[in-house]
Amino acid sequence: AQSVTQLGSHVSVSEGALVLLRCNYSSSVPPYLFWYVQYPNQGLQLLLKYTSAATLVKGINGFEAEFKKSETSFHLTKPSAHMSDAAEYFCAVSDSWGSYIPTFGRGTSLIVHP
Amino acid sequence: GEEVAQTPKHLVRGEGQKAKLYCAPIKGHSYVFWYQQVLKNEFKFLISFQNENVFDETGMPKERFSAKCLPNSPCSLEIQATKLEDSAVYFCASSQPSQRNTEAFFGQGTRLTVV
Repeated sequence: AQSVTQLGSHVSVSEGALVLLRCNYSSSVPPYLFWYVQYPNQGLQLLLKYTSAATLVKGINGFEAEFKKSETSFHLTKPSAHMSDAAEYFCAVSDSWGSYIPTFGRGTSLIVHP
Repeated sequence: GEEVAQTPKHLVRGEGQKAKLYCAPIKGHSYVFWYQQVLKNEFKFLISFQNENVFDETGMPKERFSAKCLPNSPCSLEIQATKLEDSAVYFCASSQPSQRNTEAFFGQGTRLTVV
């Protein structure tokens, strides 16, 4: 079984500040890990993914995430927040063997203040 | 096509009426997933298909929900006798797992409002 925990349903930062969104996963097999972003009234857009290659993964819009097996974490960061980053962010895990069905966390709403 | 196409975008049904949602996966993708998102919160997995076969239906409320993926037709999710609690955005996703491509691609969703 696999699961995802996103700490903090809301994260508020000032424009230009560091963004850190936390994600911890549980998986009985080597996982695939994803971060998706959802803008208001939109579907999900993939930000980045980890598939057992480099542990530091760079994504779109300046986001990156680091896979830490010892901590079972895949936290999302961005050095400098922009107003346009305000959205809902979802961490997801899928089974690297077989099912490929993504299991999502509950989401973190990123609020960016001017 | 190159993106997952969901229709309709919005659907309003009276309580007890039937609702049918459609999803055309990306051409060449063999896996299709349906998720339910209530109030911008978590994505609840409903069902997945591998081609036209049900792969995993552990999330489906089987009494009123059914789904199909038939060859040469859009996939569908049908809710018989809708209830107020079925109001949600229903997302469809497709994927073609390989060493390089492991993610699911999502459609824009269908917003179902039951009144």
